[in-house]
Amino acid sequence: EAQVTQNPRYLITVTGKKLTVTCSQNMNHEYMSWYRQDPGLGLRQIYYSMNVEVTDKGDVPEGYKVSRKEKRNFPLILESPSPNQTSLYFCASSLWAGGGEAFFGQGTRLTVV
Amino acid sequence: EDKVVQSPLSLVVHEGDTVTLNCSYEVTNFRSLLWYKQEKKAPTFLFMLTSSGIEKKSGRLSSILDKKELFSILNITATQTGDSAIYLCAVEAGKTSYDKVIFGPGTSLSVIP
Repeated sequence: EAQVTQNPRYLITVTGKKLTVTCSQNMNHEYMSWYRQDPGLGLRQIYYSMNVEVTDKGDVPEGYKVSRKEKRNFPLILESPSPNQTSLYFCASSLWAGGGEAFFGQGTRLTVV
Repeated sequence: EDKVVQSPLSLVVHEGDTVTLNCSYEVTNFRSLLWYKQEKKAPTFLFMLTSSGIEKKSGRLSSILDKKELFSILNITATQTGDSAIYLCAVEAGKTSYDKVIFGPGTSLSVIP
């Protein structure tokens, strides 16, 4: 089954404790991206990746890091989480940017206390 | 600054009504506009529009793009309670192949029996 898998689905952590949210897709897609979704603000792009070892900042990259060492995986790293990073996070992939349909993971609900 | 605006932000209708959701955009190097439906989980793809004036249709849903006036509409006829969701408009934009995706805040549609 074609899918994008994120883990964990829910996470509560404390300020400053490094964490990683994993994302994996099995569709051989080139383009992957991370979004955060906050009430009234819609989805905002954090980082995106055109292919292996190619990443770029979206609209809200501060406080986040990503890597793309393999085509299927695109982890999101919060080196020192802060309460303003409490949000719902989505990973998505598409065949290529500008190529239409994005497939989304099921989301990670992160709370930073 | 690139931006995508949706209206209304919230809408309540009765089953059987027809609704029109609006999306306007101001972006540099427009490539495509996409609509997604988000229920209590990840967004799912509805339509991708790249050319003006060509209607895309799927069952009771249809959408059209006006690249001169920089907007798109999503129509839903004979609404059903299952249409209750947040409808997201997204624009892919980019000067090169390194494309960003900008989402609007979404329209929350509630269909009551």
